[in-house]
Amino acid sequence: AQKITQTQPGMFVQEKEAVTLDCTYDTSDQSYGLFWYKQPSSGEMIFLIYQGSYDEQNATEGRYSLNFQKARKSANLVISASQLGDSAMYFCAMREWLLTGGGNKLTFGTGTQLKVEL
Amino acid sequence: KAGVTQTPRYLIKTRGQQVTLSCSPISGHRSVSWYQQTPGQGLQFLFEYFSETQRNKGNFPGRFSGRQFSNSRSEMNVSTLELGDSALYLCASRVTGVPGNEQFFGPGTRLTVL
Repeated sequence: AQKITQTQPGMFVQEKEAVTLDCTYDTSDQSYGLFWYKQPSSGEMIFLIYQGSYDEQNATEGRYSLNFQKARKSANLVISASQLGDSAMYFCAMREWLLTGGGNKLTFGTGTQLKVEL
Repeated sequence: KAGVTQTPRYLIKTRGQQVTLSCSPISGHRSVSWYQQTPGQGLQFLFEYFSETQRNKGNFPGRFSGRQFSNSRSEMNVSTLELGDSALYLCASRVTGVPGNEQFFGPGTRLTVL
């Protein structure tokens, strides 16, 4: 079974600084996908960035980048130039392809609560 | 393009009752998945529907069920509600057959069981 570990329950960062949110994963699959989602207090899960296991380059989306180290099984999210609006819960997730019935599901980590301060 | 919509946004029920939650996926998305989020268990996969068929189900009792209609809209039903069913229920839709296709989530339905 797949497992996602986020060891930072909470993080603080000052506005305009960069912050790294840690994520390690465990899987025996060769093909998998890694996602980061942001969840504000309103509850909606907002997709941030995706990294495929065969992608050789680290994914980037605006101020978000994913530091993918396959051998170490880590997929850390880097947010550059933090903004007050970045304060939220951040979840790392892995896509698992399900052999029975097809389709897939996401396995989520426990999340990191990020607080951006002035 | 409109996002994933879920209704109702908030719901209060009492133990033993049943509840039906609705999800409308993004236009063109045929896969709909449901997740339960609680403070104790975090985010857990409930089930996925594609072309009106349940593809997979997570580790939940039979009180949790769902269905998908021909327009890809999905409903989930929880019968004989228990206090522990209080949670945020999130629906997600995605395009199938495309590598890296992320799941887009709706705003969720917050269910409180008294």
